[in-house]
Amino acid sequence: DAGVIQSPRHEVTEMGQEVTLRCKPISGHDYLFWYRQTMMRGLELLIYFNNNVPIDDSGMPEDRFSAKMPNASFSTLKIQPSEPRDSAVYFCASSLGGEGTQYFGPGTRLLVL
Amino acid sequence: GQQVMQIPQYQHVQEGEDFTTYCNSSTTLSNIQWYKQRPGGHPVFLIQLVKSGEVKKQKRLTFQFGEAKKNSSLHITATQTTDVGTYFCERSNDYKLSFGAGTTVTVRA
Repeated sequence: DAGVIQSPRHEVTEMGQEVTLRCKPISGHDYLFWYRQTMMRGLELLIYFNNNVPIDDSGMPEDRFSAKMPNASFSTLKIQPSEPRDSAVYFCASSLGGEGTQYFGPGTRLLVL
Repeated sequence: GQQVMQIPQYQHVQEGEDFTTYCNSSTTLSNIQWYKQRPGGHPVFLIQLVKSGEVKKQKRLTFQFGEAKKNSSLHITATQTTDVGTYFCERSNDYKLSFGAGTTVTVRA
């Protein structure tokens, strides 16, 4: 199994640009999570999906952030427009069941200049 | 989601020594999971505890779930440089999922 796949692994962009992060969960997993990690705030849950449906997006910082899961094998997290304070590592994770082990992808390291 | 509290936030350990990190919740947990994140890496699942008072071991790591299922601990014996990283406990209770702030461990040789 390839595990959770994220792309890109690194992204450097300028303030105001749109950023799209992509995630392919482990096949068969029915939960998908998006996290953001910074030194100041640690690991924060942004949103999670169950069977492609967003269940809780209370962690999404503001309207500039949006996430979609059009099918069971793909999800995107979009930031538009991006700001320097969005610089962080964004992780995608998937699990089988809501209380199952979460398998994390390698993360996308985002730097907004 | 309601977070668990992890203490200490930072742990600097002499190689060969033991240490313990604690995870505390104000509410009863259905289960708790521990993850480790190496510097520059991503969180990796270590273990899940489900039963009250449960103790599980992985080589030099001992995990314990409190009797009241409100706290958990991770004890590492004879710390090695490979133990460097951040250890997270994670509570998953129904649809509320949250990680603690983690304990970041550094080791001096």
